[in-house]
Amino acid sequence: DTEVTQTPKHLVMGMTNKKSLKCEQHMGHRAMYWYKQKAKKPPELMFVYSYEKLSINESVPSRFSPECPNSSLLNLHLHALQPEDSALYLCASSQEPGQGDTQYFGPGTRLTVL
Amino acid sequence: DQQVKQNSPSLSVQEGRISILNCDYTNSMFDYFLWYKKYPAEGPTFLISISSIKDKNEDGRFTVFLNKSAKHLSLHIVPSQPGDSAVYFCAAILDYTGANSKLTFGKGITLSVRP
Repeated sequence: DTEVTQTPKHLVMGMTNKKSLKCEQHMGHRAMYWYKQKAKKPPELMFVYSYEKLSINESVPSRFSPECPNSSLLNLHLHALQPEDSALYLCASSQEPGQGDTQYFGPGTRLTVL
Repeated sequence: DQQVKQNSPSLSVQEGRISILNCDYTNSMFDYFLWYKKYPAEGPTFLISISSIKDKNEDGRFTVFLNKSAKHLSLHIVPSQPGDSAVYFCAAILDYTGANSKLTFGKGITLSVRP
């Protein structure tokens, strides 16, 4: 099983809403990642979790709050987002952190903020 | 400042011919390079990688060449197939073995393989 799953596939939310994106992998990977991708741009790293601990936060605004409840799950809690936060949010995982291991990506959640 | 550059936004080739996708980088400290392929509505899929200590890596129809002095790498697909039509991202890693290694992506190039 080399699959990373993400839910929901699409999400539309208002600027006052609170929502969460979910990511799951059952490959026993110990590193999980959140990326943000705008149209015609490369994915941009947001957060890295290594062994369920946040190891990298790329100066992401606090309206994005990551959570790693266990080694298979990664959440991204959203609150008071802005329209410019509309993007594709990609989750990825790799066997070990920091080894440049192959990162396996999920299909992404297409987020629209109204 | 784009550290990984894919200057051609698109490439169109005939089925059966060679596709050559180019990528340039500015940071000489990058020590590992990867190519990802992305279909619409899917996440990027790892294709092939190369360490900075090598100049070539081959996997089936895919070969990646690295020219460190020119800070240039290229992906060759031979023969190209219509199913190869996708967006291809070049990516580079700083500090490959370090705990805080990060993946930096290029903007991507859209490959279209004509039947």
